[in-house]
Amino acid sequence: EPEVTQTPSHQVTQMGQEVILRCVPISNHLYFYWYRQILGQKVEFLVSFYNNEISEKSEIFDDQFSVERPDGSNFTLKIRSTKLEDSAMYFCASRETGGRGNNYGYTFGSGTRLTVV
Amino acid sequence: QQQVKQSPQSLIVQKGGISIINCAYENTAFDYFPWYQQFPGKGPALLIAIRPDVSEKKEGRFTISFNKSAKQFSLHIMDSQPGDSATYFCAANPGYSSASKIIFGSGTRLSIRP
Repeated sequence: EPEVTQTPSHQVTQMGQEVILRCVPISNHLYFYWYRQILGQKVEFLVSFYNNEISEKSEIFDDQFSVERPDGSNFTLKIRSTKLEDSAMYFCASRETGGRGNNYGYTFGSGTRLTVV
Repeated sequence: QQQVKQSPQSLIVQKGGISIINCAYENTAFDYFPWYQQFPGKGPALLIAIRPDVSEKKEGRFTISFNKSAKQFSLHIMDSQPGDSATYFCAANPGYSSASKIIFGSGTRLSIRP
């Protein structure tokens, strides 16, 4: 079964440092997402990406965050200057279609645990 | 308006029993209601989903009951097994979003006692 692959599985970084979280979505999927989950809390939408541009972003996704699809396979989330409160699990997801299609099913990766110290 | 409220926060059920998790929403524009299952160290995985034009959907031991007038929906796990122990999230799609983001509930940690 096709998978969404995320690397690294765990990253520890110092406050103020830049981090890049990487994702390889399923190859024929067109819509890409980042979500985060602070420990013990719910999964929160960060951003959606389609056709090489951001489709929608949440209020969490401020100027410190950016996304990129640099080479047609990888999908990255960059946090420019990490804060303690950025510590969370970050999940990448992809889906084949968007809008009100019949298939709303996302495929999530296993996540990157980001720890900011 | 954009929230999905989920209860209980945690649930312990004996093996063979019925696990019931409840969710409620306010925004009538929501048009798709999935349930996700998450095991430790893994991402959420789609378990079962329903649209508001039906009142019930069953897949194996998992059933979603949907009450459109009350704006509530629930997940029932029949004959609960230890392997069902996981965190369950209800969710909703806002409908207006062309990118189809998902809004998650707060999660229910389910433990099935052998």
